[in-house]
Amino acid sequence: GENVEQHPSTLSVQEGDSAVIKCTYSDSASNYFPWYKQELGKRPQLIIDIRSNVGEKKDQRIAVTLNKTAKHFSLHITETQPEDSAVYFCAASKGTGNQFYFGTGTSLTVIP
Amino acid sequence: NAGVTQTPKFRVLKTGQSMTLLCAQDMNHEYMYWYRQDPGMGLRLIHYSVGEGTTAKGEVPDGYNVSRLKKQNFLLGLESAAPSQTSVYFCASTPTAFREQFFGPGTRLTVL
Repeated sequence: GENVEQHPSTLSVQEGDSAVIKCTYSDSASNYFPWYKQELGKRPQLIIDIRSNVGEKKDQRIAVTLNKTAKHFSLHITETQPEDSAVYFCAASKGTGNQFYFGTGTSLTVIP
Repeated sequence: NAGVTQTPKFRVLKTGQSMTLLCAQDMNHEYMYWYRQDPGMGLRLIHYSVGEGTTAKGEVPDGYNVSRLKKQNFLLGLESAAPSQTSVYFCASTPTAFREQFFGPGTRLTVL
């Protein structure tokens, strides 16, 4: 099956700085890559996603890049704010059966 | 719309007891999933369903059974609970492949 690795496991940044979280995947057939944000005690919620026919996607302060050749994708958060503090999960899916494989999460802390 | 709901929110079991977790969605989604979330391990897929009357095994199916008799409901059963099944369980649904997963609020299960 698919194996998704996520780094770093913890990340602390000063408010206003950028944060980058990286994921790699093993199955070249994976073609859909969502990112979820989970605040403490809450459910995961989608923040951005990308499909394999796209190299980059942006939504205000959040962007995701995908390198299919190297099998890695990254989440970029610019101008970080304290409310960005949460655990972020990457995931990969290849559509068949629509199974999702999640990374182990990155705990982001934005220091005011 | 209530979205995805889970019953119960909390439960404490003794080793060997059985229980059923209920997931319900009112969005007419085809796909439904059960995950468990443990510290440092991300979300791991237990079982999933691609439509009413279908189920399939995920990454960690041992000790669990599921049923999807109605499109809107997905039940997760623990036949003989073990302490290793102490976890937070999330249900999710998605309308089709390559689409956002909508998560329920989670069920915190403790097995003593």
